Amino acid sequence: NAGVTQTPKFQVLKTGQSMTLQCAQDMNHNSMYWYRQDPGMGLRLIYYSASEGTTDKGEVPNGYNVSRLNKREFSLRLESAAPSQTSVYFCASSPGTGIAFEKLFFGSGTQLSVL
Amino acid sequence: QKEVEQNSGPLSVPEGAIASLNCTYSDRGSQSFFWYRQYSGKSPELIMSIYSNGDKEDGRFTAQLNKASQYVSLLIRDSQPSDSATYLCAVIYSSASKIIFGSGTRLSIRP
Repeated sequence: NAGVTQTPKFQVLKTGQSMTLQCAQDMNHNSMYWYRQDPGMGLRLIYYSASEGTTDKGEVPNGYNVSRLNKREFSLRLESAAPSQTSVYFCASSPGTGIAFEKLFFGSGTQLSVL
Repeated sequence: QKEVEQNSGPLSVPEGAIASLNCTYSDRGSQSFFWYRQYSGKSPELIMSIYSNGDKEDGRFTAQLNKASQYVSLLIRDSQPSDSATYLCAVIYSSASKIIFGSGTRLSIRP
């Protein structure tokens, strides 16, 4: 099983450029999340989608947009990248129902640098 | 005030000793609490979850929860070098489905 797949693994952008981080899960999970991780900051929630068709802001949503394209896919878009968005981005999913409904399964991360 | 607080460390513990990691949270209505372990350059992985006041044991790991004090801790007994990692505390907020993490505690087990 692939689990949670994120693309790309690495990306370098110039200030003002746009890009979309892709995330897909093959576990039939209801909930999906985007986090960013900066040194010494732990994981900070950007946006989440509790179920297909819904999205909500997390702790640090400014400068980002998301799309829950279908149950499998949850993308994160940077419309105009800024150096402050240099970070490691993790996508995660959780079942959303049943036993261990909230256990997070993480992708391998995307290292993004904005110059 | 950050919603989930942890000491950033590093916490240095001799091999074979007990490592104690602590976390406090601000939402009194939270019901679900988790400990994730993250090795350098890797993704976080779940090691413990706890929902009720008291202790929950799983092998060398014990999670402790005190909702009245809004405090959750993780004890690692017989610490091994392979336990050297960053430990992240996570909380589900009562008002929504969002899962919030603390900043993590870096643990180093010295031989």
